Amino acid sequence: GEDVEQSLFLSVREGDSSVINCTYTDSSSTYLYWYKQEPGAGLQLLTYIFSNMDMKQDQRLTVLLNKKDKHLSLRIADTQTGDSAIYFCAELNQAGTALIFGKGTTLSVSS
Amino acid sequence: EAQVTQNPRYLITVTGKKLTVTCSQNMNHEYMSWYRQDPGLGLRQIYYSMNVEVTDKGDVPEGYKVSRKEKRNFPLILESPSPNQTSLYFCASSLSSGQATEAFFGQGTRLTVV
Repeated sequence: GEDVEQSLFLSVREGDSSVINCTYTDSSSTYLYWYKQEPGAGLQLLTYIFSNMDMKQDQRLTVLLNKKDKHLSLRIADTQTGDSAIYFCAELNQAGTALIFGKGTTLSVSS
Repeated sequence: EAQVTQNPRYLITVTGKKLTVTCSQNMNHEYMSWYRQDPGLGLRQIYYSMNVEVTDKGDVPEGYKVSRKEKRNFPLILESPSPNQTSLYFCASSLSSGQATEAFFGQGTRLTVV
């Protein structure tokens, strides 16, 4: 079945770049997403990438997609303390009816 | 302001006492969905709805019911809650499913069943 894996924790210093990695199993995935969850809040869509793209950049965020290895990464440049949150990688399931989420990566940014 | 509103935000209840978590969106979205979030398991879909009167099971539907009588509302019903339904619940809506449309999530409902 469809599955999404990501590392659980990442700790960086303010000003450094953060890279959060994700692997997925469904090679037919059309859309892959990154969501951010801050404490006590719902999920907020950060960015998404269509499967025919290798890279997408949006301000401080860069998404890289390696379709051959089924590997997705999110790079946050100049990481700030306000970026501390849980980041979820997700893929759209084959039926197009649900997002399949990874378990989330907790990003901790220290000043 | 575009939003998905869930109520209540926090609920403690006893085993077997029926409860309803409400979800309302103001964006005229066709697609709505319920997820539960558990430590170490991420988010898993409970039920979804493609439009009014069209609902279907997600990955973990056991013990839950939903209804979609109006486009804006998608309540989650627990007829006889049990402790294994203690979780953080999220409602989400989007313009449609199957496309790169942004899914808007509610703030979450933290349910504890004792």
